[in-house]
Amino acid sequence: QTVVTQEPSFSVSPGGTVTLTCGLSSGSVSARYYPSWYQQTPGQAPRTLIYNTNTRSSGVPDRFSGSILGNKAALTITGAQADDESDYYCVLFMGGANWVFGGGTKLTVL
Amino acid sequence: QVQLVESGGGVVQPGKSLRLSCVASGFSFSSFAMHWVRQAPGKGLEWVAGISFDGTKKYYADSVKGRFSISRDNSKNTIHMKMNSLRAEDTAVYSCAREWELLPYFDFWGQGTLVTVSS
Repeated sequence: QTVVTQEPSFSVSPGGTVTLTCGLSSGSVSARYYPSWYQQTPGQAPRTLIYNTNTRSSGVPDRFSGSILGNKAALTITGAQADDESDYYCVLFMGGANWVFGGGTKLTVL
Repeated sequence: QVQLVESGGGVVQPGKSLRLSCVASGFSFSSFAMHWVRQAPGKGLEWVAGISFDGTKKYYADSVKGRFSISRDNSKNTIHMKMNSLRAEDTAVYSCAREWELLPYFDFWGQGTLVTVSS
């Protein structure tokens, strides 16, 4: 069974930079899994941030960026703002319309 | 603008069935694959099921395979999910999501409908 791993929580200071990662319990994440990232605040629908590893969705500020770092997908927030405090989820497309979400990272900005 | 509106949630006893619907508007519905994603209370997102743009291909997470069935009616811009043999662990907010036609990711999401399985 495929398990996608994310840091359960992370903290960043306002104006700081944070990198959240998305890994596989067995193996490496690469662009072939089309990693995408979603931001969710409580009670709200997820908002698409990044798709296809590093493409920002329409309207997403350029302080959000995606990449592959080593054997993981990564979401970097540069110049964190208070309203970036949210849950962040990555999802990998495993082929055959099989999608696996990571457990999510709760980001605190303080 | 793109809108996805789910309905059909509610409280149901274990072992019973429920049918969810998602009505889409603001785009050419018959051109896009659609999915159901759920979120249990206090938990993360879980992909549940997906259906191709024409309804010929259907995919399920192992956790629901054999119990849930996804379908679509392109004439009504609607997808459905019939959930049978419901379990307490199926309690979640169920959201529909659109898959972008050119690359695999979810570009639009609905607000979701809450399903509570409890005796």
